[in-house]
Amino acid sequence: AQKITQTQPGMFVQEKEAVTLDCTYDTSDQSYGLFWYKQPSSGEMIFLIYQGSYDEQNATEGRYSLNFQKARKSANLVISASQLGDSAMYFCAMREGRSYNTDKLIFGTGTRLQVFP
Amino acid sequence: DSGVTQTPKHLITATGQRVTLRCSPRSGDLSVYWYQQSLDQGLQFLIQYYNGEERAKGNILERFSAQQFPDLHSELNLSSLELGDSALYFCASSVEGRDNEQFFGPGTRLTVL
Repeated sequence: AQKITQTQPGMFVQEKEAVTLDCTYDTSDQSYGLFWYKQPSSGEMIFLIYQGSYDEQNATEGRYSLNFQKARKSANLVISASQLGDSAMYFCAMREGRSYNTDKLIFGTGTRLQVFP
Repeated sequence: DSGVTQTPKHLITATGQRVTLRCSPRSGDLSVYWYQQSLDQGLQFLIQYYNGEERAKGNILERFSAQQFPDLHSELNLSSLELGDSALYFCASSVEGRDNEQFFGPGTRLTVL
């Protein structure tokens, strides 16, 4: 069964430093998608970045990059130059393969990131 | 603003009651997904509708039901509510079949007393 694992319940980082949030996944599908979402204390889910299983290059979106290592089944989020506003819960998610005829997402348990001055 | 709207934002009710949560997807999105976020279970998929038809079902209780109407808005009905149903309920929408994100609504926070 598909599964997403986030082993870091909480992370601290100093402002302007880079931080890596870990995510590993388990799937038997060849085609799948990996997502990262940010959830601030206000509760909304904000899309950050997407990586397709066939994408050869790591995805980047501004200060966010996804370190995709397919053989290791990992999809770590790297936030460069952390800002105080980055303090939030971060969720890694996977879209099941197309063979399941649905784009539903499976989420990890999340990592709470706190950025300090 | 994701373009997905959910009402109400907050809902407080008593055990045994029934409530309806409403979601309007982004313009043009045919797929609607419902997710539940609770302290116990984390974020989990409940059900998906595509253009009015049920597409996939997750860990949705029999006391819960959903539908998608011809104008593509969706409603999640929760009945015989229990304390454990207290959670944040998200609706998300997407263009099915494209490798892009699901757009999440702001959520409805349900508190069952």
